[in-house]
Amino acid sequence: GAGVSQTPSNKVTEKGKYVELRCDPISGHTALYWYRQSLGQGPEFLIYFQGTGAADDSGLPNDRFFAVRPEGSVSTLKIQRTERGDSAVYLCASTLRPGGNPNTEAFFGQGTRLTVV
Amino acid sequence: ILNVEQSPQSLHVQEGDSTNFTCSFPSSNFYALHWYRWETAKSPEALFVMTLNGDEKKKGRISATLNTKEGYSYLYIKGSQPEDSATYLCAFLGFHAGGTSYGKLTFGQGTILTVHP
Repeated sequence: GAGVSQTPSNKVTEKGKYVELRCDPISGHTALYWYRQSLGQGPEFLIYFQGTGAADDSGLPNDRFFAVRPEGSVSTLKIQRTERGDSAVYLCASTLRPGGNPNTEAFFGQGTRLTVV
Repeated sequence: ILNVEQSPQSLHVQEGDSTNFTCSFPSSNFYALHWYRWETAKSPEALFVMTLNGDEKKKGRISATLNTKEGYSYLYIKGSQPEDSATYLCAFLGFHAGGTSYGKLTFGQGTILTVHP
């Protein structure tokens, strides 16, 4: 596709349920990032993939959160036993080449708005 | 913990007014500073990627300056239009071991701009 695609655009789920959020990055982009924006705050880093491997998952808030990128393109963010505090906009971004060029631009999807009721 | 601050948090201006926002960031380990515009229900869109102290960049009515020694950047909008209404985010990119960055962005909380006709 032309840009980063995220699905679904909106997700409402009940507390305690499991959800999956999908990100389809720009073709050829090796680096993929997940961010979360809670109300009134800027986006916060969750996890970074270089290819298939999670190179930095230091932003994942706890072990209910997990992300995969099995073939080095599409990524899925998985949240188990959702809580009301997980409600946020989850953003995905990809870049062509993350290191070595400071002018590298990140391209974002439109986000998934998750509401836990 | 990196501290990236934006001010003001929100701004209401009349069509035709010029306005500016501030982003402050750590002055050490600087690699790049990104500005994004994020309209509701759309993807954050990169406005500028700034890398050199003293950089000034311009795109139409929008321009930005960078001071890496004191750790701040200004975004200016000349002759604001209603379509400029959006959240403006700055994001800091720092060096990691090896003298490069893997693209992990640290965002400010954003400035919400509303331009009234």
